[in-house]
Amino acid sequence: GAVVSQHPSWVICKSGTSVKIECRSLDFQATTMFWYRQFPKQSLMLMATSNEGSKATYEQGVEKDKFLINHASLTLSTLTVTSAHPEDSSFYICSAEQQGDEQYFGPGTRLTVT
Amino acid sequence: QKEVEQNSGPLSVPEGAIASLNCTYSDRGSQSFFWYRQYSGKSPELIMSIYSNGDKEDGRFTAQLNKASQYVSLLIRDSQPSDSATYLCAVNKGRGSTLGRLYFGRGTQLTVWP
Repeated sequence: GAVVSQHPSWVICKSGTSVKIECRSLDFQATTMFWYRQFPKQSLMLMATSNEGSKATYEQGVEKDKFLINHASLTLSTLTVTSAHPEDSSFYICSAEQQGDEQYFGPGTRLTVT
Repeated sequence: QKEVEQNSGPLSVPEGAIASLNCTYSDRGSQSFFWYRQYSGKSPELIMSIYSNGDKEDGRFTAQLNKASQYVSLLIRDSQPSDSATYLCAVNKGRGSTLGRLYFGRGTQLTVWP
């Protein structure tokens, strides 16, 4: 099956610092990757759609200067949370679209900003 | 009107019973439909995809799609305690990466008691 990895699985950072999260498709090439955020007991919220070699498309209300997305290759997308604040603490999950449109999720990154 | 709606539950069934999860969607032109399972603290896992009207069976899982009624369901036969999770219905308005975002329901929490 399609495997998507994320790194790190959890991270604690201080307010004002930046954190980078990596998302990799391990056994397939993904032209499109997606970044989601999920707060406790809430559903997934799509933050942005990332296409290889082009700028990401952000959902309404998501600050593109705060959440920097780089999709440098067909197997790697990164999300950088800049100047993190406690309200950015959340579960960040990426997904990668395999040919045909099935999306497979990474294991998620739990971010805590202190 | 929300894009995808699910019966919010929670749903509780005894071990061995059939669990029935329901989902409706608003865009009549939607073409791809998915069920994800999400354990607490984990990321979603794709368990079923369905594209055509009718039933699709995979082991103990059966997905049913009725495009005329804009309705998708998931049946879990012989439910096991390990099936206890939140089940997310997801809809894609088109096939192919150009239309690739998924719209998720809020999820139905299922508990299977021994």
